[in-house]
Amino acid sequence: AQSVAQPEDQVNVAEGNPLTVKCTYSVSGNPYLFWYVQYPNRGLQFLLKYITGDNLVKGSYGFEAEFNKSQTSFHLKKPSALVSDSALYFCAVRASSNTGKLIFGQGTTLQVKP
Amino acid sequence: GAVVSQHPSRVICKSGTSVKIECRSLDFQATTMFWYRQFPKQSLMLMATSNEGSKATYEQGVEKDKFLINHASLTLSTLTVTSAHPEDSSFYICSASGQNRGNQPQHFGDGTRLSIL
Repeated sequence: AQSVAQPEDQVNVAEGNPLTVKCTYSVSGNPYLFWYVQYPNRGLQFLLKYITGDNLVKGSYGFEAEFNKSQTSFHLKKPSALVSDSALYFCAVRASSNTGKLIFGQGTTLQVKP
Repeated sequence: GAVVSQHPSRVICKSGTSVKIECRSLDFQATTMFWYRQFPKQSLMLMATSNEGSKATYEQGVEKDKFLINHASLTLSTLTVTSAHPEDSSFYICSASGQNRGNQPQHFGDGTRLSIL
């Protein structure tokens, strides 16, 4: 069965420092991986996806993620954090090939302090 | 980018009331729509998947008679919480995807905060 794990409930970084939000996955077959961000009382916004190709995926708002097949990881990164990046981040994996259903990780709260 | 509109954003009503939530894809045809429920500081729990013109597929443990889903067109899906009770209070979020949905991200509405008194 497909699954996603985000091992950190919360990540704290100082503004201007690099940030990493961790995600590991377990899938049968090729992984289709996604990162979403959620601000309070809002829906989810798509940041980036990995389907195939380059292991380093660039997305919205300066975020990028590195796909590592041997470590089954898809960590979200940003070189320089902004206070406005503070939000709840979800990693997701596609559950099946014909429905588009996603399985979400538990979510990681990112807190960027000035 | 793809836009999904969800309405209403907030509902407060008395126990026993039925509440309808709409989810519209504004600039693309949504062959599949998903309905989620989210509790505070928790992940999204998929309730059901709906495909245009066919019956919704409900996840295990979700009462289909309680949460009625209709996906009558390629741009609109509705979730009706029938005879809502305080335990149904939650944040409900819809998402939509177009064709080739496996490769494409889901696009989410802004959610509906449902509070049952």
